[in-house]
Amino acid sequence: AQSVAQPEDQVNVAEGNPLTVKCTYSVSGNPYLFWYVQYPNRGLQFLLKYITGDNLVKGSYGFEAEFNKSQTSFHLKKPSALVSDSALYFCAVRRAGTASKLTFGTGTRLQVTL
Amino acid sequence: NAGVTQTPKFQVLKTGQSMTLQCAQDMNHEYMSWYRQDPGMGLRLIHYSVGAGITDQGEVPNGYNVSRSTTEDFPLRLLSAAPSQTSVYFCASTGLSEGDTQYFGPGTRLTVL
Repeated sequence: AQSVAQPEDQVNVAEGNPLTVKCTYSVSGNPYLFWYVQYPNRGLQFLLKYITGDNLVKGSYGFEAEFNKSQTSFHLKKPSALVSDSALYFCAVRRAGTASKLTFGTGTRLQVTL
Repeated sequence: NAGVTQTPKFQVLKTGQSMTLQCAQDMNHEYMSWYRQDPGMGLRLIHYSVGAGITDQGEVPNGYNVSRSTTEDFPLRLLSAAPSQTSVYFCASTGLSEGDTQYFGPGTRLTVL
């Protein structure tokens, strides 16, 4: 079985400050890891993914994530938060080689204030 | 490309009614899936399909039926709606190559009274 934990229901950060949204995973074999963002009343938008290679992955809107195999983590980061980054963020995992069954975390709401 | 489209956007049903949520994709993706999103529970997989004529159950399949007669379409049927099926439903699609990204539709907000 595979699982994802997002330990924080909400993260609050001031605009201009760095942000981190945490994600840890459990999967047998090598993981494929994804971050999605959901704005109010919208579908999920793909941000970035780790498949293989460099542990630091860069994605859309200035976001990046670092894959840490020993800690089984894939935290989402951004050096300088914007109010427009306020949204619900989901981490997801699937096992490499499988037919794309993604398992999602419960989501973390990011609130960026002026 | 329209990507993944879903209809309707909103629906209100009475307990016991049936309905079909439509999903279509124009990216020639083999894999399609249905999720439901409930507060505090993330997205849970209902059913999925790896190609036309092939479907399988996900994590929460009870009360839902699917079929896949074409690559493009993957409708979700509620057989006899219950208040517990009040949720937001998302359809998604992806290719089957290693590392392919799953893309989501805009969602259908369903309320069962």
